[in-house]
Amino acid sequence: KAGVTQTPRYLIKTRGQQVTLSCSPISGHRSVSWYQQTPGQGLQFLFEYFSETQRNKGNFPGRFSGRQFSNSRSEMNVSTLELGDSALYLCASRKTGGSSTDTQYFGPGTRLTVL
Amino acid sequence: AQSVTQLGSHVSVSEGALVLLRCNYSSSVPPYLFWYVQYPNQGLQLLLKYTSAATLVKGINGFEAEFKKSETSFHLTKPSAHMSDAAEYFCAVSDLGNYGGSQGNLIFGKGTKLSVKP
Repeated sequence: KAGVTQTPRYLIKTRGQQVTLSCSPISGHRSVSWYQQTPGQGLQFLFEYFSETQRNKGNFPGRFSGRQFSNSRSEMNVSTLELGDSALYLCASRKTGGSSTDTQYFGPGTRLTVL
Repeated sequence: AQSVTQLGSHVSVSEGALVLLRCNYSSSVPPYLFWYVQYPNQGLQLLLKYTSAATLVKGINGFEAEFKKSETSFHLTKPSAHMSDAAEYFCAVSDLGNYGGSQGNLIFGKGTKLSVKP
């Protein structure tokens, strides 16, 4: 069974631009979560989508947004990029969402560099 | 609110030696706890998880962890380190939100980088 895939793997943008990252979950998984990983702040939860609805949201500004499609694929968008948005963005999928303790399976991440 | 503290950002052991990575959690209710491993330029891989069943949890690659409520700890151990164990390890707790029910998202510790010397 194919794992979680994320595209692109690497991205370089300049301040003020916007970026869209894509995540394809494991087949049959309906929940997709996004995390930001930086050396200073570590791993932080951005948001979770389940059945095309945002179920949970972390403490990030509104410049960070996401969506989920009917096939469970998800995208996250960051508008008006700042230098501090440089990070590894990880996507995780699991079978169900919300209060379930199903294992979250992580993708390889997208490394975003903002210049 | 839940939190996780990993003691030691870097741990170095010799090949064949015991691996002990420390994790302490803060939670007002019984938590769900996880250990993940991250190899360079890769995502996170689940090693093991505790969801209130047996307190000693066995995971992949010979790792295990013991849930100790009295010590609020969930330390990760492996009897004999291999060179291939060199990676960064993250302890995580499932966020319980404001009402005590799991929100599903994970709260991670800062991570511990494990080096294995030949």
